Amino acid sequence: AQSVAQPEDQVKVAEGNPLTVKCTYSVSGNPYLFWYVQYPNRGLQFLLKYITGDNLVKGSYGFEAEFNKSQTSFHLKKPSALVSDSALYFCAVRDPYGGGFKTIFGAGTRLFVKA
Amino acid sequence: DTAVSQTPKYLVTQMGNDKSIKCEQNLGHDTMYWYKQDSKKFLKIMFSYNNKELIINETVPNRFSPKSPDKAHLNLHINSLELGDSAVYFCASSPGTGSGNTIYFGEGSWLTVV
Repeated sequence: AQSVAQPEDQVKVAEGNPLTVKCTYSVSGNPYLFWYVQYPNRGLQFLLKYITGDNLVKGSYGFEAEFNKSQTSFHLKKPSALVSDSALYFCAVRDPYGGGFKTIFGAGTRLFVKA
Repeated sequence: DTAVSQTPKYLVTQMGNDKSIKCEQNLGHDTMYWYKQDSKKFLKIMFSYNNKELIINETVPNRFSPKSPDKAHLNLHINSLELGDSAVYFCASSPGTGSGNTIYFGEGSWLTVV
């Protein structure tokens, strides 16, 4: 069965500092991995995804994520945080071989960026 | 143009009532979904349709019934509403059922049952 974990309920960083939001996954085969962001009272918006190829994936708003197969992780990163990055971030996984049609979402990590 | 639109955005209703949430996507996608987000922000799939055919039907009460009149629309009808149904319901769509497809979400429908 596929699963995804976001070990931190919240992450706090100062504006201008680098940020990392952690995600680990479990699938039976090679995973398809996604990051989404949710701003207050809004729907989820797609940030980036890993399907295959280069382990470092670049996405919207300056975010990137690194796929690490040995550690089964897909951490979201940004070199310099902005106050406007404060939001709820969801990691999601899809098992293309054993997961059926489902994309499984993590519990979310709330990012606070202080000015 | 809004890609995935759902109405109403806010809905306050009494226990026992029946209500519907409508969803439309203008992206030309084949697959549509209903997700429920609870008060702790946990997001869970409820239903999914591909070309009007039900492909995901999670363990939800029978009071919840999806209907897809065509592949651009997926409505959610809820009978005999209960306090525990209070949540945010998100409609979403994707190009198809392929594992690499991005999911596009609507803005959510905030349901409060009193």
